[in-house]
Amino acid sequence: KAGVTQTPRYLIKTRGQQVTLSCSPISGHRSVSWYQQTPGQGLQFLFEYFSETQRNKGNFPGRFSGRQFSNSRSEMNVSTLELGDSALYLCASSLVGQGASPAFFGQGTRLTVV
Amino acid sequence: DAKTTQPPSMDCAEGRAANLPCNHSTISGNEYVYWYRQIHSQGPQYIIHGLKNNETNEMASLIITEDRKSSTLILPHATLRDTAVYYCIVRVVDGNKLVFGAGTILRVKS
Repeated sequence: KAGVTQTPRYLIKTRGQQVTLSCSPISGHRSVSWYQQTPGQGLQFLFEYFSETQRNKGNFPGRFSGRQFSNSRSEMNVSTLELGDSALYLCASSLVGQGASPAFFGQGTRLTVV
Repeated sequence: DAKTTQPPSMDCAEGRAANLPCNHSTISGNEYVYWYRQIHSQGPQYIIHGLKNNETNEMASLIITEDRKSSTLILPHATLRDTAVYYCIVRVVDGNKLVFGAGTILRVKS
């Protein structure tokens, strides 16, 4: 069974640009969540999508947005990039309505803003 | 979500059991305890989870105290590849929002 797939794995962008990251969940998983990991702040929750609707949101500015498609694939977008947005962005997927089924993570997208 | 407290780092000799403690004194009745680990710059790897009974799988065992205020992850025979940051998280059932703390850096030494 294929795991969570994130693309691209590495990305370099310039300040002020925008970026879109993609996440394909495990087959059958309908919940997708996104996390940002930096050395200073650790792993922080960005948002969660289920059935194409945002179900939870972390404490990040509106420049961070996401969406989910009918096939459960998800994208996140960061507009007007800042140097501080350089981070490892992680996506996780899980079953819903299956009790305590765990979330499984992808390998992440390493974003560098220069 | 309840918060967790873990020691910042631990050392373990290769081949010995690694016992990683976690305190979650404010855990609610509907919150599960999950353990993940992260090897440098990779995505966190799910290890095990439990509600109130002890659990075991091919990777580890999870011991939860009767009052559910603390738990211990046990890696029975640690290897060098088990060197990682281990995160203890409590999570509401069907919620996919995980709140990560700083975790415990486990160093397995030969």
